[in-house]
Amino acid sequence: DAGITQSPRHKVTETGTPVTLRCHQTENHRYMYWYRQDPGHGLRLIHYSYGVKDTDKGEVSDGYSVSRSKTEDFLLTLESATSSQTSVYFCAISETRLQGTSTDTQYFGPGTRLTVL
Amino acid sequence: RKEVEQDPGPFNVPEGATVAFNCTYSNSASQSFFWYRQDCRKEPKLLMSVYSSGNEDGRFTAQLNRASQYISLLIRDSKLSDSATYLCVPYNQGGKLIFGQGTELSVKP
Repeated sequence: DAGITQSPRHKVTETGTPVTLRCHQTENHRYMYWYRQDPGHGLRLIHYSYGVKDTDKGEVSDGYSVSRSKTEDFLLTLESATSSQTSVYFCAISETRLQGTSTDTQYFGPGTRLTVL
Repeated sequence: RKEVEQDPGPFNVPEGATVAFNCTYSNSASQSFFWYRQDCRKEPKLLMSVYSSGNEDGRFTAQLNRASQYISLLIRDSKLSDSATYLCVPYNQGGKLIFGQGTELSVKP
Protein backbone atom coordinates (compact mmCIF):
# COMPACT_ATOMS: atom_id res chain seq x y z
CA ASP A 1 0.00 0.00 0.00
CA ALA A 2 1.08 3.55 -0.76
CA GLY A 3 2.20 5.57 2.23
CA ILE A 4 -0.68 8.00 2.60
CA THR A 5 -2.20 9.02 5.89
CA GLN A 6 -5.02 11.41 6.63
CA SER A 7 -5.77 13.16 9.87
CA PRO A 8 -8.07 13.32 11.62
CA ARG A 9 -9.92 10.19 10.50
CA HIS A 10 -13.16 11.39 12.04
CA LYS A 11 -14.29 14.83 13.06
CA VAL A 12 -17.51 16.39 14.26
CA THR A 13 -17.68 20.15 14.27
CA GLU A 14 -20.20 22.96 14.36
CA THR A 15 -21.33 25.27 11.60
CA GLY A 16 -19.12 28.30 11.27
CA THR A 17 -15.96 26.81 12.75
CA PRO A 18 -12.74 26.47 10.76
CA VAL A 19 -11.54 22.95 9.99
CA THR A 20 -8.23 21.74 8.56
CA LEU A 21 -7.69 18.27 7.20
CA ARG A 22 -4.21 16.96 6.64
CA CYS A 23 -2.89 14.56 4.04
CA HIS A 24 0.61 13.21 4.49
CA GLN A 25 2.51 11.03 2.01
CA THR A 26 5.84 9.26 2.22
CA GLU A 27 6.09 8.46 -1.52
CA ASN A 28 7.56 11.79 -2.61
CA HIS A 29 4.89 12.03 -5.32
CA ARG A 30 4.52 15.38 -7.01
CA TYR A 31 0.74 15.41 -7.49
CA MET A 32 -1.77 15.46 -4.66
CA TYR A 33 -5.56 15.72 -4.75
CA TRP A 34 -8.47 16.32 -2.44
CA TYR A 35 -11.83 14.72 -3.24
CA ARG A 36 -15.13 14.56 -1.44
CA GLN A 37 -17.55 11.66 -1.68
CA ASP A 38 -21.26 11.97 -1.03
CA PRO A 39 -24.19 9.56 -1.52
CA GLY A 40 -25.51 9.77 -5.06
CA HIS A 41 -22.32 11.36 -6.34
CA GLY A 42 -19.01 10.03 -7.47
CA LEU A 43 -15.84 11.34 -5.96
CA ARG A 44 -15.60 15.01 -6.84
CA LEU A 45 -12.33 16.87 -7.09
CA ILE A 46 -12.01 19.85 -4.74
CA HIS A 47 -8.43 21.02 -5.29
CA TYR A 48 -5.20 19.53 -6.48
CA SER A 49 -1.52 20.33 -6.30
CA TYR A 50 1.18 19.80 -8.88
CA GLY A 51 4.08 20.81 -6.67
CA VAL A 52 5.07 22.73 -3.58
CA LYS A 53 3.01 25.93 -3.49
CA ASP A 54 1.40 25.02 -6.82
CA THR A 55 -2.31 24.36 -6.51
CA ASP A 56 -5.41 24.63 -8.65
CA LYS A 57 -9.15 24.36 -8.27
CA GLY A 58 -11.25 21.33 -9.02
CA GLU A 59 -14.95 21.15 -9.78
CA VAL A 60 -16.25 21.81 -6.25
CA SER A 61 -13.73 24.25 -4.77
CA ASP A 62 -16.10 26.87 -3.32
CA GLY A 63 -15.73 27.08 0.46
CA TYR A 64 -12.39 25.27 0.48
CA SER A 65 -8.77 26.38 0.39
CA VAL A 66 -5.58 24.35 0.26
CA SER A 67 -1.93 24.75 0.98
CA ARG A 68 1.16 22.77 0.20
CA SER A 69 4.33 24.04 1.83
CA LYS A 70 6.14 20.68 1.69
CA THR A 71 6.07 17.86 -0.82
CA GLU A 72 4.68 15.43 1.72
CA ASP A 73 1.81 17.50 3.13
CA PHE A 74 -1.35 18.81 1.51
CA LEU A 75 -3.80 20.65 3.75
CA LEU A 76 -7.47 21.24 3.07
CA THR A 77 -9.14 24.05 5.00
CA LEU A 78 -12.80 24.81 5.44
CA GLU A 79 -12.68 28.43 6.56
CA SER A 80 -16.21 28.37 7.97
CA ALA A 81 -17.74 24.92 7.86
CA THR A 82 -21.32 24.46 6.69
CA SER A 83 -23.62 21.46 6.92
CA SER A 84 -23.32 20.95 3.15
CA GLN A 85 -19.66 20.15 3.71
CA THR A 86 -20.52 17.06 5.73
CA SER A 87 -18.83 14.38 3.67
CA VAL A 88 -16.06 11.84 3.42
CA TYR A 89 -12.86 13.46 2.22
CA PHE A 90 -10.21 11.48 0.38
CA CYS A 91 -6.72 12.54 -0.41
CA ALA A 92 -4.94 10.98 -3.38
CA ILE A 93 -1.47 11.10 -4.87
CA SER A 94 0.10 10.36 -8.22
CA GLU A 95 3.72 10.36 -9.26
CA THR A 96 3.06 12.02 -12.59
CA ARG A 97 0.34 14.11 -14.15
CA LEU A 98 -2.56 11.84 -15.07
CA GLN A 99 -2.60 11.30 -18.83
CA GLY A 100 -5.02 8.44 -19.21
CA THR A 101 -2.27 5.92 -19.92
CA SER A 102 -1.11 2.67 -18.43
CA THR A 103 1.37 4.56 -16.27
CA ASP A 104 -1.38 6.43 -14.45
CA THR A 105 -1.61 5.30 -10.91
CA GLN A 106 -3.52 7.29 -8.35
CA TYR A 107 -3.40 6.07 -4.77
CA PHE A 108 -5.95 7.10 -2.18
CA GLY A 109 -5.64 7.72 1.50
CA PRO A 110 -8.03 6.10 4.01
CA GLY A 111 -10.39 9.08 4.14
CA THR A 112 -11.65 11.54 6.74
CA ARG A 113 -15.27 11.43 7.79
CA LEU A 114 -16.39 15.00 8.59
CA THR A 115 -19.72 15.89 10.15
CA VAL A 116 -20.78 19.53 10.41
CA LEU A 117 -23.69 20.08 12.79
CA ARG B 1 -26.88 14.59 -18.37
CA LYS B 2 -24.25 13.39 -15.90
CA GLU B 3 -20.76 12.85 -17.27
CA VAL B 4 -20.78 9.30 -15.97
CA GLU B 5 -23.82 7.20 -15.16
CA GLN B 6 -23.90 3.87 -13.41
CA ASP B 7 -26.71 1.70 -12.11
CA PRO B 8 -26.23 2.04 -8.36
CA GLY B 9 -27.59 -1.47 -7.71
CA PRO B 10 -27.28 -3.30 -5.45
CA PHE B 11 -26.66 -6.36 -7.55
CA ASN B 12 -27.24 -9.40 -5.36
CA VAL B 13 -25.75 -12.56 -6.85
CA PRO B 14 -24.85 -16.03 -5.56
CA GLU B 15 -21.28 -17.23 -5.39
CA GLY B 16 -20.08 -18.52 -8.72
CA ALA B 17 -22.42 -16.33 -10.75
CA THR B 18 -21.41 -14.11 -13.63
CA VAL B 19 -22.42 -10.49 -13.28
CA ALA B 20 -22.01 -7.47 -15.54
CA PHE B 21 -22.22 -3.75 -14.88
CA ASN B 22 -22.62 -1.04 -17.47
CA CYS B 23 -21.41 2.52 -17.35
CA THR B 24 -22.33 5.26 -19.83
CA TYR B 25 -20.27 8.37 -20.35
CA SER B 26 -21.14 11.63 -22.09
CA ASN B 27 -17.75 12.89 -23.26
CA SER B 28 -17.13 11.29 -26.63
CA ALA B 29 -13.51 12.46 -26.46
CA SER B 30 -12.74 10.17 -23.51
CA GLN B 31 -9.98 7.81 -24.57
CA SER B 32 -9.10 5.99 -21.41
CA PHE B 33 -11.13 4.43 -18.66
CA PHE B 34 -10.55 2.87 -15.29
CA TRP B 35 -12.52 0.63 -13.01
CA TYR B 36 -11.94 1.17 -9.31
CA ARG B 37 -13.13 -1.00 -6.48
CA GLN B 38 -14.25 0.50 -3.20
CA ASP B 39 -14.98 -1.59 -0.14
CA CYS B 40 -17.45 -0.26 2.40
CA ARG B 41 -16.05 2.84 4.13
CA LYS B 42 -12.64 2.33 2.56
CA GLU B 43 -10.62 4.12 -0.09
CA PRO B 44 -11.00 3.35 -3.81
CA LYS B 45 -8.39 1.07 -5.34
CA LEU B 46 -7.60 0.62 -9.01
CA LEU B 47 -9.01 -2.62 -10.42
CA MET B 48 -8.16 -2.31 -14.10
CA SER B 49 -7.53 0.10 -16.95
CA VAL B 50 -9.08 0.15 -20.42
CA TYR B 51 -7.46 1.90 -23.39
CA SER B 52 -8.66 0.16 -26.52
CA SER B 53 -11.68 -2.08 -26.96
CA GLY B 54 -11.24 -3.86 -23.69
CA ASN B 55 -9.07 -5.56 -21.13
CA GLU B 56 -9.08 -8.85 -19.28
CA ASP B 57 -7.52 -9.71 -15.95
CA GLY B 58 -8.36 -13.12 -14.59
CA ARG B 59 -12.07 -13.25 -13.79
CA PHE B 60 -12.56 -9.61 -14.71
CA THR B 61 -13.22 -8.37 -18.24
CA ALA B 62 -13.84 -4.79 -19.27
CA GLN B 63 -15.30 -3.98 -22.69
CA LEU B 64 -15.54 -0.59 -24.30
CA ASN B 65 -18.14 0.41 -26.88
CA ARG B 66 -17.12 3.83 -28.15
CA ALA B 67 -19.98 4.10 -30.65
CA SER B 68 -22.56 3.78 -27.89
CA GLN B 69 -20.36 5.41 -25.28
CA TYR B 70 -20.52 2.76 -22.65
CA ILE B 71 -18.08 0.54 -20.86
CA SER B 72 -18.92 -2.67 -19.09
CA LEU B 73 -17.29 -4.76 -16.39
CA LEU B 74 -17.91 -8.51 -16.35
CA ILE B 75 -17.06 -10.60 -13.32
CA ARG B 76 -17.05 -14.36 -13.76
CA ASP B 77 -17.22 -16.97 -11.00
CA SER B 78 -18.08 -14.37 -8.35
CA LYS B 79 -16.44 -14.71 -4.94
CA LEU B 80 -17.68 -13.44 -1.60
CA SER B 81 -14.65 -11.17 -1.58
CA ASP B 82 -15.87 -9.45 -4.75
CA SER B 83 -18.58 -7.72 -2.69
CA ALA B 84 -17.82 -4.02 -3.06
CA THR B 85 -18.80 -0.94 -4.99
CA TYR B 86 -17.33 -0.66 -8.49
CA LEU B 87 -16.56 2.82 -9.78
CA CYS B 88 -16.43 3.64 -13.47
CA VAL B 89 -13.84 6.35 -14.13
CA PRO B 90 -13.27 7.99 -17.53
CA TYR B 91 -10.12 9.99 -17.91
CA ASN B 92 -10.84 13.65 -18.53
CA GLN B 93 -8.20 15.40 -20.59
CA GLY B 94 -6.57 17.90 -18.34
CA GLY B 95 -5.10 15.47 -15.89
CA LYS B 96 -8.29 14.62 -14.05
CA LEU B 97 -10.48 11.62 -13.49
CA ILE B 98 -14.28 11.71 -13.49
CA PHE B 99 -15.75 9.25 -11.04
CA GLY B 100 -19.12 7.58 -11.42
CA GLN B 101 -21.20 7.08 -8.29
CA GLY B 102 -20.55 3.36 -8.39
CA THR B 103 -22.42 0.08 -8.65
CA GLU B 104 -22.80 -1.96 -5.49
CA LEU B 105 -22.25 -5.70 -5.74
CA SER B 106 -23.19 -8.15 -3.01
CA VAL B 107 -22.14 -11.77 -3.47
CA LYS B 108 -24.03 -14.21 -1.26
CA PRO B 109 -23.02 -17.75 -0.22
